[in-house]
Amino acid sequence: KQEVTQIPAALSVPEGENLVLNCSFTDSAIYNLQWFRQDPGKGLTSLLLIQSSQREQTSGRLNASLDKSSGRSTLYIAASQPGDSATYLCAVLYSGGGADGLTFGKGTHLIIQP
Amino acid sequence: GAGVSQSPSNKVTEKGKDVELRCDPISGHTALYWYRQSLGQGLEFLIYFQGNSAPDKSGLPSDRFSAERTGGSVSTLTIQRTQQEDSAVYLCASRPLAGGFYNEQFFGPGTRLTVL
Repeated sequence: KQEVTQIPAALSVPEGENLVLNCSFTDSAIYNLQWFRQDPGKGLTSLLLIQSSQREQTSGRLNASLDKSSGRSTLYIAASQPGDSATYLCAVLYSGGGADGLTFGKGTHLIIQP
Repeated sequence: GAGVSQSPSNKVTEKGKDVELRCDPISGHTALYWYRQSLGQGLEFLIYFQGNSAPDKSGLPSDRFSAERTGGSVSTLTIQRTQQEDSAVYLCASRPLAGGFYNEQFFGPGTRLTVL
């Protein structure tokens, strides 16, 4: 069964710190990997999409990397702010067959302390 | 332009009743997805439409669940004889044809279903 694992499950850091969220996946045959943000009681906001041929994507203070061979992605958040507090979800679209939709990790619950 | 919209935003129903959830994808998006987010299971994929066709329905949790898409646009997810374990947030996403599976999925705000 194809899985996505996110570590840590929860993280609390002071404002201003740089931080890294980790995502691992079980099969390197993927179309893409997406990072999402979810605020309590809200839907998903797409942050970054990395296609299988790409190594990283950047948007503002966010940088996501992809290493297909090791089955890993990281989301780097620079100069964290209290508004970054949310749950961050990693999702992979596998290309090997068996499922046509994204496989999600269980998320990292991030709290940025003012 | 408008994003993915879903209705209703909240639905409370009694056990045993049928419910219909609606998704309006972004105009022109040919692919449409349904997902479910529940406390115990996290976010799980249910079904995918390319146009009006769903190639694989095996992700649906039980035969009480069905989905259809008409005119290559609006989709409805129907749950018959609802059970308490069906309580969850049901999310819809759409994707443009260009780029195929490599492209991004855009998510709607979800429908929160509560079965009493």
